[in-house]
Amino acid sequence: QVQLQESGPGLVKPSGTLSLNCDVSGGSVISSDWWGWVRQSPGKALEFIGQIYDSGSTNYNPSLESRVSISIDKSKNQFSLQLTSVTAADTAIYYCARVRWQRLGTFLYYFDRWSQGTLVTVS
Amino acid sequence: QSLLTQPPSVSAAPGQKVTISCSGANSNIGNNYVSWYQQLPGTAPKLLIYQNNERPSAIPDRFSGSKSGTSATLDITGLQTGDEADYYCGTWDTSLSAGVFGTGTKVTVL
Repeated sequence: QVQLQESGPGLVKPSGTLSLNCDVSGGSVISSDWWGWVRQSPGKALEFIGQIYDSGSTNYNPSLESRVSISIDKSKNQFSLQLTSVTAADTAIYYCARVRWQRLGTFLYYFDRWSQGTLVTVS
Repeated sequence: QSLLTQPPSVSAAPGQKVTISCSGANSNIGNNYVSWYQQLPGTAPKLLIYQNNERPSAIPDRFSGSKSGTSATLDITGLQTGDEADYYCGTWDTSLSAGVFGTGTKVTVL
């Protein structure tokens, strides 16, 4: 069973860069799946940040695209998130997740495995 | 700002049924499959429904989903106190080329 565990600093200074890694166990990042990041500001809804395939192909939330970068490290079986120029508005719980994405006439798209989440505070 | 609109809250007594709606557009729900997630207090989201109405093996059949046009619905029957949680719909938005989630609905068991 695939499990995901994120790691990284819980506190980032304003204007700095938020960096998180997501370790994948029980499976390989080299698969037919995509791997994504979702965040949730305190008391708010889930927000899609972006996703990556093992080829390096990515999709990002247009509202964050100028500041976000997702990469994948096949040798470490992990993928990573970088968010630059952070402000207090980026304070949130950050989740990494496995994405199931197929084109079956229409897009089949869902997150089926989630990490426990990590709170990142910008202050 | 979410593109998928859900009611902020719904409630019912134990054993009753609640229905949660998720309203979108042609670029998302109208042309792609919908998923639903349950988020118990203080925990990560969990997949409840995918492909509009399919359940992962561990999810009881009290949870069911449907879709019509640009809207989707999650039904929870035989409501239990353990169902108190936030529920989110999700899908792919073809125009944005990005995943999108609903505004979230809090289910309260009276």
